[in-house]
Amino acid sequence: RKEVEQDPGPFNVPEGATVAFNCTYSNSASQSFFWYRQDCRKEPKLLMSVYSSGNEDGRFTAQLNRASQYISLLIRDSKLSDSATYLCVVPREWGDYKLSFGAGTTVTVRA
Amino acid sequence: DADVTQTPRNRITKTGKRIMLECSQTKGHDRMYWYRQDPGLGLRLIYYSFDVKDINKGEISDGYSVSRQAQAKFSLSLESAIPNQTALYFCATGGGGTNEQFFGPGTRLTVL
Repeated sequence: RKEVEQDPGPFNVPEGATVAFNCTYSNSASQSFFWYRQDCRKEPKLLMSVYSSGNEDGRFTAQLNRASQYISLLIRDSKLSDSATYLCVVPREWGDYKLSFGAGTTVTVRA
Repeated sequence: DADVTQTPRNRITKTGKRIMLECSQTKGHDRMYWYRQDPGLGLRLIYYSFDVKDINKGEISDGYSVSRQAQAKFSLSLESAIPNQTALYFCATGGGGTNEQFFGPGTRLTVL
């Protein structure tokens, strides 16, 4: 089983729609999680950190389900500028400062 | 100015050539990383360094070497480039007690 798995998409949604997608992880001991955003062939940038059951930042909500070992990202009121690839990132082992990256979920928001 | 810079941004080279990719950071972070990204795959760790005297292999280090010249500089070398090393290469830094990493703009390398 891969350490981090994501639905690659693409999710093609109209402006204003809500889109949600999941990421599953294999290490049940993981305590913190990240969503990074990556625009086409550019560097990943941190979108959101998740340390407990979830986190909300404006139109973005991340939720953590430890029992089923998945993290979800929900984008409300989608904007054209939300079009990107969203990377799910999970620390490998506590204290070793190494990360496992999912391959990414591509979201395209159309006018 | 960007906190993490990479040079060159694009490079086309031929099989067998030696290539060096450079990374510099102004964030004052101790930890530095080199990743490669291929289509459909997550970022994969090549090498990482937690301070100037610390160098560690990642999951795909074969065919690569690194040098940590200073806290702020971490370079990646391909001693004899081969076509399957064609990829997008990212340098990243991390500091303190957080797992968050900050990425450079990437180097697009093509090996013919």
